[in-house]
Amino acid sequence: QKEVEQDPGPLSVPEGAIVSLNCTYSNSAFQYFMWYRQYSRKGPELLMYTYSSGNKEDGRFTAQVDKSSKYISLFIRDSQPSDSATYLCAMSGRAQKLVFGQGTRLTINP
Amino acid sequence: NAGVTQTPKFQVLKTGQSMTLQCAQDMNHNSMYWYRQDPGMGLRLIYYSASEGTTDKGEVPNGYNVSRLNKREFSLRLESAAPSQTSVYFCASRIGYTEAFFGQGTRLTVV
Repeated sequence: QKEVEQDPGPLSVPEGAIVSLNCTYSNSAFQYFMWYRQYSRKGPELLMYTYSSGNKEDGRFTAQVDKSSKYISLFIRDSQPSDSATYLCAMSGRAQKLVFGQGTRLTINP
Repeated sequence: NAGVTQTPKFQVLKTGQSMTLQCAQDMNHNSMYWYRQDPGMGLRLIYYSASEGTTDKGEVPNGYNVSRLNKREFSLRLESAAPSQTSVYFCASRIGYTEAFFGQGTRLTVV
């Protein structure tokens, strides 16, 4: 069983829609939760970083962590065609091991 | 302001050949990572090094070896390449529990 599960999609939505991306995990030691965005043929880049449970908002992006359910989410409001990319969740504990989900390929249609 | 540099960017190997992928970072980061990315599989951790002098296995270590040469450099070696190791390889580094920075990747094809 993978430590981090993420629906690979693909997910296609119209411009302006609210997008919800999710990951579940099994390792209770995970405390640091991240969302990365990856454009084609590029390395991933950090989008959001959250420590422990709670919400964090940055512009059109909101990250949520529910440690009791071992479930994290990323919401994108007013989605734009430039948001089309692969989104990967990632998490780690204090042991420095950094584990990623499978990534969700997202397309925003004009 | 190089960040994480991977060499080579592209490589074609014949089955059974060996090669070393090089990674260097200039950000004074403690931790370094090697991942492989296959279609639909996300980033799978091969090996990581939490600090100079230490290395640990990740999710898919079989067929690979690593060396943390110093704080800056972390190399990945394929002793006897197999077609199943055809993939895009990413090196990453970070300090503490914060953002990991990635290199541009190495596209490896084993024929």
